[in-house]
Amino acid sequence: KNQVEQSPQSLIILEGKNCTLQCNYTVSPFSNLRWYKQDTGRGPVSLTIMTFSENTKSNGRYTATLDADTKQSSLHITASQLSDSASYICVVRPFTGTASKLTFGTGTRLQVTL
Amino acid sequence: GAVVSQHPSWVICKSGTSVKIECRSLDFQATTMFWYRQFPKQSLMLMATSNEGSKATYEQGVEKDKFLINHASLTLSTLTVTSAHPEDSSFYICSARDRGGWSDTQYFGPGTRLTVL
Repeated sequence: KNQVEQSPQSLIILEGKNCTLQCNYTVSPFSNLRWYKQDTGRGPVSLTIMTFSENTKSNGRYTATLDADTKQSSLHITASQLSDSASYICVVRPFTGTASKLTFGTGTRLQVTL
Repeated sequence: GAVVSQHPSWVICKSGTSVKIECRSLDFQATTMFWYRQFPKQSLMLMATSNEGSKATYEQGVEKDKFLINHASLTLSTLTVTSAHPEDSSFYICSARDRGGWSDTQYFGPGTRLTVL
């Protein structure tokens, strides 16, 4: 069964600090891996997308890495801000043709405090 | 970037009534739309896949007669929760697939919070 597991489940950091969220997946082969940010009571918003051949992708203070050999991805947030408080979800699209369904991780709930 | 809207953003209804949720792709045509349900502190769970002009494909365990899906146009899909009960209270999120350009991308709507009393 294709799975996507994320760690930690939750994280509290001080404003201005950096943090790294982890994603381990068993989906194989896969088409792409995305990191989404989901604010409470809102839909997910895409932060980064990487294909299996890409190792890193940045979007402002967000940097995602991908190791297709170990099936691991990470999302690094630099100089965190209060507005970064949200759930971060790792999502993998299997490479099974046009009908492939997204496989969602359970998310990491990040809280940035003063 | 592509935008997907949902209406209403929240709804409170009495047990036994039906509720319709709309999902629109605002600046692209979506041949495929997806409906998800999310319970507190859990990830999104796919309920059904909706293709324009054809019947929706429901995931195992999702009652098609209870969750009616209509995808009448390339920009609109609706989810109707029939005879809603308190256990149907959840956060419903739609997603629309944009096959334009180089990427096959799914964009998510802002979600609809359903509370059944």
